[in-house]
Amino acid sequence: DAKTTQPPSMDCAEGRAANLPCNHSTISGNEYVYWYRQIHSQGPQYIIHGLKNNETNEMASLIITEDRKSSTLILPHATLRDTAVYYCIVRVTYFGNEKLTFGTGTRLTIIP
Amino acid sequence: SQTIHQWPATLVQPVGSPLSLECTVEGTSNPNLYWYRQAAGRGLQLLFYSVGIGQISSEVPQNLSASRPQDRQFILSSKKLLLSDSGFYLCAWSVLATGELFFGEGSRLTVL
Repeated sequence: DAKTTQPPSMDCAEGRAANLPCNHSTISGNEYVYWYRQIHSQGPQYIIHGLKNNETNEMASLIITEDRKSSTLILPHATLRDTAVYYCIVRVTYFGNEKLTFGTGTRLTIIP
Repeated sequence: SQTIHQWPATLVQPVGSPLSLECTVEGTSNPNLYWYRQAAGRGLQLLFYSVGIGQISSEVPQNLSASRPQDRQFILSSKKLLLSDSGFYLCAWSVLATGELFFGEGSRLTVL
């Protein structure tokens, strides 16, 4: 599986857009980019995923560069409840191998 | 709808004692199952994953073992706990088609 690198921490003002970067320079053509977040002492929560095209859902937007070596998760209007650790992972699936490995993530703090 | 149950939620055990954490999934069949561990202030470490009954892949040599006696049951065990086994243990299942991971609420283990 491709490894990912993320900044260890970021701050964002409440109501502003939070942009969380992720580098995955060794990503393969069949690997998807996934984002999860973990609020303290809870299990991680799925946010969004994509392969090549930009994606948007009710929680966030995912921007993937054309060469797919990096991506950015965008929380358009951050609230205090968005304070969490955000994980970027890449995933490839073939029969018998479903390993999904998390890195250390980015600790996002929303400032009132 | 699918649900995942994990127990016990909290456990305090002496060094050298055995361990059994149990995880069951409802509402789906043949899920991929995972055990992750999160040490204090650290990221998620993948311990074991399983793509079917009796099929266990271990990611990290350690004092722990996993078993999958039934399709939707995943058990994490140890014969003799070490201090370093303390942490937050998370069970998860994934949908093969989408790769989305669904996590349980976690089991917090303290070894004294």
